[in-house]
Amino acid sequence: EAGVAQSPRYKIIEKRQSVAFWCNPISGHATLYWYQQILGQGPKLLIQFQNNGVVDDSQLPKDRFSAERLKGVDSTLKIQPAKLEDSAVYLCASSLVPGRKLFFGSGTQLSVL
Amino acid sequence: GNSVTQMEGPVTLSEEAFLTINCTYTATGYPSLFWYVQYPGEGLQLLLKATKADDKGSNKGFEATYRKETTSFHLEKGSVQVSDSAVYFCALSGTQGGSEKLVFGKGTKLTVNP
Repeated sequence: EAGVAQSPRYKIIEKRQSVAFWCNPISGHATLYWYQQILGQGPKLLIQFQNNGVVDDSQLPKDRFSAERLKGVDSTLKIQPAKLEDSAVYLCASSLVPGRKLFFGSGTQLSVL
Repeated sequence: GNSVTQMEGPVTLSEEAFLTINCTYTATGYPSLFWYVQYPGEGLQLLLKATKADDKGSNKGFEATYRKETTSFHLEKGSVQVSDSAVYFCALSGTQGGSEKLVFGKGTKLTVNP
């Protein structure tokens, strides 16, 4: 069974630039999550999709972050413009049932200089 | 809201030593509890889980028991190996704002020396 795919693996940008991350969940998983993991901290949920609808985006900084899940499969997370404090690993995860047994991708490590 | 507090790291042990990583939680209702592990260079993966009070989750020699009376879910292993070196995250799944959410602790880095 293929896992959760994410790209790119690493990204280095300057502040005020924009960046986009891509995620392909496990086939059949209706729930997709984007987490932000700052060095030394646990993952923090940014947004949760159920199919192509947003279930929770309460911790997404909507002035600069946006996310979409086209056709309820792939998802993209965008940051525009980036700030230094956005440096983190961005994790995508998917699950069959919301909140239960999440499968995580390897993440995208973002460095904002 | 729901939250998880786990033992600060890093933890450094010798091979075959006993491991305990403490985890306590705050939640309304009846959450499910999890331990996730992140090996160097890899994504998080589920290590074990417990869905109700007094359940014991176990996998790869690791165990954790869901203790409602002490709101705890401590991770234990009787004899650690070098290959257990990783970051361990305690997590809680519960309903908040009408949806099921997974909340993580800050993680505990374990290093096992030969």
